Amino acid sequence: DVKVTQSSRYLVKRTGEKVFLECVQDMDHENMFWYRQDPGLGLRLIYFSYDVKMKEKGDIPEGYSVSREKKERFSLILESASTNQTSMYLCASSLAGKFVTEAFFGQGTRLTVV
Amino acid sequence: ELKVEQNPLFLSMQEGKNYTIYCNYSTTSDRLYWYRQDPGKSLESLFVLLSNGAVKQEGRLMASLDTKARLSTLHITAAVHDLSATYFCAAGPNNNDMRFGAGTRLTVKP
Repeated sequence: DVKVTQSSRYLVKRTGEKVFLECVQDMDHENMFWYRQDPGLGLRLIYFSYDVKMKEKGDIPEGYSVSREKKERFSLILESASTNQTSMYLCASSLAGKFVTEAFFGQGTRLTVV
Repeated sequence: ELKVEQNPLFLSMQEGKNYTIYCNYSTTSDRLYWYRQDPGKSLESLFVLLSNGAVKQEGRLMASLDTKARLSTLHITAAVHDLSATYFCAAGPNNNDMRFGAGTRLTVKP
């Protein structure tokens, strides 16, 4: 089974802190994604990566950056956390190329910025 | 920019009844996904639809895709309590890009 693991289920951080959310997948997937989930808004794409060191902005990249130094790991960085970044963050991975497959999701990290 | 809209956002059903969730997307997408999310859990893939007229069924759920109308439906037949969850559709031009709707929170009551 594909496993996507996020480093924390719950995090509480202070305004202005630099926050790292880590995601690791074990199925050698090329694509990795970071979404945030808010009630009534569904999942909004923050960034995605289709290869090591490659990244593309999604719909809401402001205030976030990402890092992909190894194929299995995709990190989301909040440079200076703000209260409006309080949310559920979901990481996902999928195969690239001609194979059409679904994405597999991690369990989510609920981040609270106080 | 691809936008995905679902309706209804909230759905309360009696057990045994049928209902349909609709998913519209704004630009060409060669694939359409349906996911389920239980409270406090992550998303689980239900269906991947790839071509016009595609229909897939799993138990009491049936998904279809009309690429010309840019519309997918998730039909629930004879609902049972275990189907209570939030259902998301997602579309995207390729495996690298996937945009989600707001989700439909389904509650099935006895």
